[in-house]
Amino acid sequence: AQSVSQHNHHVILSEAASLELGCNYSYGGTVNLFWYVQYPGQHLQLLLKYFSGDPLVKGIKGFEAEFIKSKFSFNLRKPSVQWSDTAEYFCAVTDSWGKLQFGAGTQVVVTP
Amino acid sequence: DGGITQSPKYLFRKEGQNVTLSCEQNLNHDAMYWYRQDPGQGLRLIYYSQIVNDFQKGDIAEGYSVSREKKESFPLTVTSAQKNPTAFYLCASRGTGDREQYFGPGTRLTVT
Repeated sequence: AQSVSQHNHHVILSEAASLELGCNYSYGGTVNLFWYVQYPGQHLQLLLKYFSGDPLVKGIKGFEAEFIKSKFSFNLRKPSVQWSDTAEYFCAVTDSWGKLQFGAGTQVVVTP
Repeated sequence: DGGITQSPKYLFRKEGQNVTLSCEQNLNHDAMYWYRQDPGQGLRLIYYSQIVNDFQKGDIAEGYSVSREKKESFPLTVTSAQKNPTAFYLCASRGTGDREQYFGPGTRLTVT
């Protein structure tokens, strides 16, 4: 069975700092990769996704992620965070059947 | 507007009672999913349905039941057999050939 591992459960950083959240998955076949974000009190929203092609994908709100196949990783980055980026971030993977497997999530707190 | 609706937003029940959570979509999607979200555990798949009148157990189906009598609707019943039902429940749907799932706003169930 596939699994998804997010490296940090909690991250606290100051505004303008750079953010990188690690995500590794275990699955040998073709995968589709996602990062979702959940702002306090809001819906789960899609930040970005990777299906194929350029392994560096850009999403909304200045986020990007890099797929490194050899490392089974899909790390999320943002060069300069804002207070409004405070949220919980989830990495997720689907196999060819479309079942989503989520990581445990990383709570990110950005201090002013 | 197309989308997924879940009602109610908050639900309170006494222990020992069954409760049914609603999920409706007007996206004409064939596949629908139920997830449970608990702090520090991400989202876990409860049940999914690829087509009307068919559904399969996910990773944590015990204590839950579903039906899929209509394409638009995929209600989830949390039975009294579910040992720890208090959680945030998310419904999602996916179109045939689409690799992305779309999420509803969720229902927060509290059982006391």
